[in-house]
Amino acid sequence: GESVGLHLPTLSVQEGDNSIINCAYSNSASDYFIWYKQESGKGPQFIIDIRSNMDKRQGQRVTVLLNKTVKHLSLQIAATQPGDSAVYFCAEFGNTGGFKTIFGAGTRLFVKA
Amino acid sequence: SQTIHQWPATLVQPVGSPLSLECTVEGTSNPNLYWYRQAAGRGLQLLFYSVGIGQISSEVPQNLSASRPQDRQFILSSKKLLLSDSGFYLCAWAPGPMGNTIYFGEGSWLTVV
Repeated sequence: GESVGLHLPTLSVQEGDNSIINCAYSNSASDYFIWYKQESGKGPQFIIDIRSNMDKRQGQRVTVLLNKTVKHLSLQIAATQPGDSAVYFCAEFGNTGGFKTIFGAGTRLFVKA
Repeated sequence: SQTIHQWPATLVQPVGSPLSLECTVEGTSNPNLYWYRQAAGRGLQLLFYSVGIGQISSEVPQNLSASRPQDRQFILSSKKLLLSDSGFYLCAWAPGPMGNTIYFGEGSWLTVV
């Protein structure tokens, strides 16, 4: 669910390595999930989404995995680049208390050159 | 294509002064609209959402209010700002009525001094 007021966990990776960012979602009835990327001083940008009838979806250098059994979502970034440095949020959507998306706390990704 | 704009981008206001942040969406009709706040280095906090003109739902009790005078216009206001109102404010929209993917504006930095 919403994790407001928490300091963000941080992941540091070497340029060229693969990154894995994890997220636990709160509502087993959620049926649509999104990963966002937020660069410093900017609004979050949509990266990739997945519906609950899927376990895996691939985009350009990114893959999202969904494990509904344990309510876990992950974002894999292949060959991480300095431009990937940002905060990454997972989001879950379902008819929980209205038409709104619930965001995870976010993970800050640092890419070392 | 759809676009979202919010302004001003940066604002420095004294304690006790009023606030007005404005957001407009173009290229879509009947969007769901949202205001989020993000404290430095922290996650997103949903403040208000709206599913139609004049329909505002508040998520947290606070010193702020929201209004939707037109279908694609969303305004965040305060009569008297507090120091704790400082933060990064994000307007967002999603396709209505069953809003799915949320798209964010550029954000507005508010510093209350």
